[in-house]
Amino acid sequence: DAMVIQNPRYQVTQFGKPVTLSCSQTLNHNVMYWYQQKSSQAPKLLFHYYDKDFNNEADTPDNFQSRRPNTSFCFLDIRSPGLGDAAMYLCATSTSGRNQETQYFGPGTRLLVL
Amino acid sequence: AQKITQTQPGMFVQEKEAVTLDCTYDTSDPSYGLFWYKQPSSGEMIFLIYQGSYDQQNATEGRYSLNFQKARKSANLVISASQLGDSAMYFCAMREGWGQGGKLIFGQGTELSVKP
Repeated sequence: DAMVIQNPRYQVTQFGKPVTLSCSQTLNHNVMYWYQQKSSQAPKLLFHYYDKDFNNEADTPDNFQSRRPNTSFCFLDIRSPGLGDAAMYLCATSTSGRNQETQYFGPGTRLLVL
Repeated sequence: AQKITQTQPGMFVQEKEAVTLDCTYDTSDPSYGLFWYKQPSSGEMIFLIYQGSYDQQNATEGRYSLNFQKARKSANLVISASQLGDSAMYFCAMREGWGQGGKLIFGQGTELSVKP
């Protein structure tokens, strides 16, 4: 089945130790998004790729970076995780201009920072 | 100002009954889309239903329907014949503009509990 896959589902890292979360998709969608969702809050967009073009949200901290080496994969890098970065990280994909540009989400990665 | 407002932090419904989850929005863009997502405790955001600003008819998808009142800027989700598996957090979201990949603006969510 076509889908959005996130690995790992749970990630534990140490304060200040770089961590990478991964997302892959078999939907062949040209847009990929990363959202951060803290406990009992709504998801908040960090950035998205429209094809190869990177679009950062104005309030996304510099500590968060992203890479998209090809259409199928997108990575979220947290350079120096702080305790406040513990959250669910959701990857989503969409096709621009079709299907109402509905965003389809992966299962998420829960990040714990010790 | 809040662009998406969900005024019900929590709702209870009896199994097999219908329930309405409220959502109001605010935008000056004539072209927008409204989405509802379900988030079970496992964390995945599951797309339920979509309504476009130019759509003449209210959207329906199986047991889900969207009561779209454009003049009132409301887009309430109606779940008919509630099931125990419907217990989850429900988010209303809006997308402004199209074509370049853009963000969804989410409401704060409504936690629905279905009682047996």
